[in-house]
Amino acid sequence: AQSVTQLDSQVPVFEEAPVELRCNYSSSVSVYLFWYVQYPNQGLQLLLKYLSGSTLVKGINGFEAEFNKSQTSFHLRKPSVHISDTAEYFCAVSEFGAQKLVFGQGTRLTINP
Amino acid sequence: DSGVTQTPKHLITATGQRVTLRCSPRSGDLSVYWYQQSLDQGLQFLIQYYNGEERAKGNILERFSAQQFPDLHSELNLSSLELGDSALYFCASSPRVVLGEQYFGPGTRLTVT
Repeated sequence: AQSVTQLDSQVPVFEEAPVELRCNYSSSVSVYLFWYVQYPNQGLQLLLKYLSGSTLVKGINGFEAEFNKSQTSFHLRKPSVHISDTAEYFCAVSEFGAQKLVFGQGTRLTINP
Repeated sequence: DSGVTQTPKHLITATGQRVTLRCSPRSGDLSVYWYQQSLDQGLQFLIQYYNGEERAKGNILERFSAQQFPDLHSELNLSSLELGDSALYFCASSPRVVLGEQYFGPGTRLTVT
């Protein structure tokens, strides 16, 4: 069965600094990978997804992620964060042909001025 | 706004009671997914319906059931409620039966007292 590990439960950074949120997954078959963001008191919004093709995926709000099959990782990056990026970020995986998303425990990103 | 609506936003009820959560998917989406988000379990997939038929089951308790109606809205029924059922319940929709991008509603916060 697939699983997702988000290595940091909280990441504090200063505004305009770069950030990387780490995600590793475990699966015996090929997978789709996703990053979702949850702003306070809101539902989840898709940031970006990897289904196939280029391993560098660009998403909304200046975020990007790189799929590394050998490392089974899908880390999320942004070169310069803004106060409005304060939120919880969830990495999720789904096996090919599966009907469900398996989520990591989430990483709370806090931006300090 | 994802286009997925959920009612009610908040629900407070007592142990042993039964509640119904409602979800309307995005226009044209045939798949509906239900997720539970709690502090100790994180985000867990409960169940998926596609065009009225159950397609996948996750960690859904026997006390919980769901259905999708001909107009494609879905209801999640939770019965014999326990304190541990207190959580955020999210509905998501997608146009496909096999996993693609999912669009999440704002959630229903259930508090069992």
